[in-house]
Amino acid sequence: DTGVSQDPRHKITKRGQNVTFRCDPISEHNRLYWYRQTLGQGPEFLTYFQNEAQLEKSRLLSDRFSAERPKGSFSTLEIQRTEQGDSAMYLCASSNPLRGANTGELFFGEGSRLTVL
Amino acid sequence: QKEVEQNSGPLSVPEGAIASLNCTYSDRGSQSFFWYRQYSGKSPELIMSIYSNGDKEDGRFTAQLNKASQYVSLLIRDSQPSDSATYLCAVRGNTDKLIFGTGTRLQVFP
Repeated sequence: DTGVSQDPRHKITKRGQNVTFRCDPISEHNRLYWYRQTLGQGPEFLTYFQNEAQLEKSRLLSDRFSAERPKGSFSTLEIQRTEQGDSAMYLCASSNPLRGANTGELFFGEGSRLTVL
Repeated sequence: QKEVEQNSGPLSVPEGAIASLNCTYSDRGSQSFFWYRQYSGKSPELIMSIYSNGDKEDGRFTAQLNKASQYVSLLIRDSQPSDSATYLCAVRGNTDKLIFGTGTRLQVFP
């Protein structure tokens, strides 16, 4: 098992363009989370899935952001009409809450860094 | 009031000393508490989890939890330069997401 995988690792785009990030979680993990992190800040929750169901979405997330996990395996995060304020590291994490007492432990991928020019 | 608060630092300690990192949280119903280490340009890495009041030790790391005071801390004994990183406190409440603090930057100098 290679852990949580994210693609692309880096993305530079122009304002107004759409971007999509992909996350492949650890294979037996049924929960998948998206976070956003800017310099000097901790990761900020965006949304999470249990299998294919999106269970919670941050109220801070604008309608330009959408996430899917169609078959309960990999997930995509799309940002439409990007703005300079969207520049950040987008982190994906997965967990398996059914595994013993280790409830809530998240395992992060290496992140996808977005730069909007 | 932020949900999870940490002093941003930097906290500077000499090699071999004990580094003490602190975190407070606002949701009294929080059940699970975590410390993540994040090196510059890298993703967070879980180093400790704690679920009940008291101390939990793992090697050079000790996590301490006081739910009455809504306070969790991380002690790093025999600090090494390789421990220099940002330490993120994370709290899980009644929902299944983790809320992170802004992190404390630790610098261990030789």
